[in-house]
Amino acid sequence: KAGVTQTPRYLIKTRGQQVTLSCSPISGHRSVSWYQQTPGQGLQFLFEYFSETQRNKGNFPGRFSGRQFSNSRSEMNVSTLELGDSALYLCASRRRTSGGGSSYNEQFFGPGTRLTVL
Amino acid sequence: TQLLEQSPQFLSIQEGENLTVYCNSSSVFSSLQWYRQEPGEGPVLLVTVVTGGEVKKLKRLTFQFGDARKDSSLHITAAQPGDTGLYLCAGDYLVAGGTSYGKLTFGQGTILTVHP
Repeated sequence: KAGVTQTPRYLIKTRGQQVTLSCSPISGHRSVSWYQQTPGQGLQFLFEYFSETQRNKGNFPGRFSGRQFSNSRSEMNVSTLELGDSALYLCASRRRTSGGGSSYNEQFFGPGTRLTVL
Repeated sequence: TQLLEQSPQFLSIQEGENLTVYCNSSSVFSSLQWYRQEPGEGPVLLVTVVTGGEVKKLKRLTFQFGDARKDSSLHITAAQPGDTGLYLCAGDYLVAGGTSYGKLTFGQGTILTVHP
């Protein structure tokens, strides 16, 4: 089974521009979460989509947005880029797992998109 | 705001040594996941612990979940250079309504370097 794919892998943009990142989850997974990873802040949750609906959102400005399509693929958009938006953007697809008498969620990450804002 | 404290931040050891990484929180997890990340790549899931007091083993790696489900540890026995990487713990917190809707809260990570 193919893993989570993200495109593009690398992006260089300038301040003020906007960018769209794409994520295809593992086949059959309907939940997609996005995270931003920086050396200073670590991994921070951006938002989560399930069945085309945003169910949860992290503490990021409105310049960060996303959407999910009927095939579960997801995109995130960052408008009016700032230098501080330079980061590795990670997408994760989630499945419900059962084992040992419990059921729980597991997230599987893609390779990320490295965004550099100049 | 839920905080997940991971320690130590850096570990530099010789091949063959043992090490332990800790994750602590004041809030209860519904589950906790451990990941390993290589530079320029996404985190790779190692294990998920769910039940208080649970111990899981993955070859030379031993994962423990605290009885109260507020803390976890990763112990590596006889570390090898191939274990070098960033280790991350991530908690799926127990919230009202039963689900955190896809939000994992990550520790700051432990950068492990194993020297031959």
